[in-house]
Amino acid sequence: SYVLTQPPSVSVAPGKTARITCGGNNIGSKSVHWYQQKPGQAPVLVIYYDSDRPSGIPERFSGSNSGNTATLTISRVEAGDEADYYCQVWDSSSDHQGVFGGGTKLTVL
Amino acid sequence: QVQLVESGGGVVQPGRSLRLSCAASGFTFSSYGMHWVRQAPGKGLEWVAVISYDGSNKYYADSVKGRFTISRDNSKNTLYLQMNSLRAEDTAVYYCAKADSVGATTSKAALNWGQGTLVTVSS
Repeated sequence: SYVLTQPPSVSVAPGKTARITCGGNNIGSKSVHWYQQKPGQAPVLVIYYDSDRPSGIPERFSGSNSGNTATLTISRVEAGDEADYYCQVWDSSSDHQGVFGGGTKLTVL
Repeated sequence: QVQLVESGGGVVQPGRSLRLSCAASGFTFSSYGMHWVRQAPGKGLEWVAVISYDGSNKYYADSVKGRFTISRDNSKNTLYLQMNSLRAEDTAVYYCAKADSVGATTSKAALNWGQGTLVTVSS
């Protein structure tokens, strides 16, 4: 089955740029979706299809995907961005299955 | 606005069954694929199952295949997850989620989420 690898944690100072990676075999050939989850809350979709932003998501959130790594970039990080972030793809190699990365805890220093 | 409300969670003994429901409103339910995603306590998200807008296509995670069944009743705007032969490792908050757009069942993102319902499998 397809495996997505994320760093367990990323720390960044307010106002700086955070980059959260998601590694997978030839992930550049798949569409990557990113979710933000704050404690006690349901996940929120922040980036879909590699780099599109759903309505209501600030432009500070952006995404890219190439080769074996997809990246979620958060510019001008704010305290309210502190959360867990998950990448997700669809694995159609054997059966159609959704796959989530293990998640990355973003800490705003 | 889109609303998804899960229900049916609770405490159940290993080996028993439970059925979760997800009541949808604020959109044309019969046009969208729907997902179940779960999260064990203190753990990450795990995709469980997806069903196409008309119920004709269903896909499952290996961890639940053969034990769980996803279904929908478009006349009632309701999504279901029938869970049989439950195990301790099925303990989690179960979320239903709506696909981001109409069309193919897979490749979609989960745009709207419910608040989840907790399933605890314990003797």
